[in-house]
Amino acid sequence: GNSVTQMEGPVTLSEEAFLTINCTYTATGYPSLFWYVQYPGEGLQLLLKATKADDKGSNKGFEATYRKETTSFHLEKGSVQVSDSAVYFCALGPSNSNSGYALNFGKGTSLLVTP
Amino acid sequence: NAGVMQNPRHLVRRRGQEARLRCSPMKGHSHVYWYRQLPEEGLKFMVYLQKENIIDESGMPKERFSAEFPKEGPSILRIQQVVRGDSAAYFCASSPPSSFGVGYTFGSGTRLTVV
Repeated sequence: GNSVTQMEGPVTLSEEAFLTINCTYTATGYPSLFWYVQYPGEGLQLLLKATKADDKGSNKGFEATYRKETTSFHLEKGSVQVSDSAVYFCALGPSNSNSGYALNFGKGTSLLVTP
Repeated sequence: NAGVMQNPRHLVRRRGQEARLRCSPMKGHSHVYWYRQLPEEGLKFMVYLQKENIIDESGMPKERFSAEFPKEGPSILRIQQVVRGDSAAYFCASSPPSSFGVGYTFGSGTRLTVV
């Protein structure tokens, strides 16, 4: 079945450092891919998404490219800020109407950015 | 335009009691999804509902858990005879019709603690 694997944390970076959080997936068909962010004590917020191969999702300086050849959707940011400290979840949407309706989430990667 | 509203934010129950978690979807959203987040784990899909219909409950435990989304009022996730292992954050998400693969909007969650 469809599944998502993302790098384990916690990841600790200094402010202005470059961020990469790896995410790979296993799926049949052509699912949409998402990154969600969860700040402490809050729910998940959609950060960015990509709906087909080679699409690049971007938001708030974060980017991720849907790579079908490597089945990856790595999250990157060129210069992180303290306010980016949160837990980041990679998620896989259903491939088609026969794949169910759930988003499949990775376990999350905790990011701590220090001043 | 209010987002997905969940209440209560925090709920404490003694073992054997019932827990009722409420979710009001965003205006215009008729699809509701419930997810559970156990400590140090990602989100796990529980159930997908439309108004008055359960569409996919493949992630629901077979016993003690039930969900509904009536014609009027919020969606309710009900846990009977709670046990310590039910302690988790429960998140509700909603989406508009025909949102296949687009992504959902999450509420801030209900954190259930069973003592």
